[in-house]
Amino acid sequence: DAGITQSPRHKVTETGTPVTLRCHQTENHRYMYWYRQDPGHGLRLIHYSYGVKDTDKGEVSDGYSVSRSKTEDFLLTLESATSSQTSVYFCAISESLISSYEQYFGPGTRLTVT
Amino acid sequence: QKEVEQDPGPLSVPEGAIVSLNCTYSNSAFQYFMWYRQYSRKGPELLMYTYSSGNKEDGRFTAQVDKSSKYISLFIRDSQPSDSATYLCAMSGESGAGSYQLTFGKGTKLSVIP
Repeated sequence: DAGITQSPRHKVTETGTPVTLRCHQTENHRYMYWYRQDPGHGLRLIHYSYGVKDTDKGEVSDGYSVSRSKTEDFLLTLESATSSQTSVYFCAISESLISSYEQYFGPGTRLTVT
Repeated sequence: QKEVEQDPGPLSVPEGAIVSLNCTYSNSAFQYFMWYRQYSRKGPELLMYTYSSGNKEDGRFTAQVDKSSKYISLFIRDSQPSDSATYLCAMSGESGAGSYQLTFGKGTKLSVIP
């Protein structure tokens, strides 16, 4: 998985609790992304980062926040988890803006909100 | 109308068959056209990409882009059981903010039967 790890790999949490997912890369790539994958919707971009402390919203950013304090780490936080946020979350990286078509994905985190 | 349409299948073929996977799109700004392969419970991996129109071949895989029809295809020759996976088409082009966000199809699940 191109030097990308995600933690935790599985998590079950209750509605209303905060949850933080971590993505760690060893490739020193500038761009990092968070996606969610749901049946019937495919992969949808939540947030992305184009450098340390530089982030922007994607297609489905409501209810999520992100932070990037180091090149290698990109955190996704659900401030107050809801059942609609039950999903598989993937982190991805790309080397540059122009090569953002070539994204490398992590193994995913399965999140269940009960 | 969704930006990218992809038949979810499932598609089941015998080993050795030629497989044709397709996507249509509506956004004429798309310039990069990708095919990702995703094995069960894994992250997607980039198979091939094409810039603008034309064909690209890589071993048993051929990607075609017809921008005039807004239609892309992936052909797999001599299909193998190891090709059994979900195939995601993805597209990108420069947005108004200068980013190159990927827009994914929902994926087609392929099974190659020995």
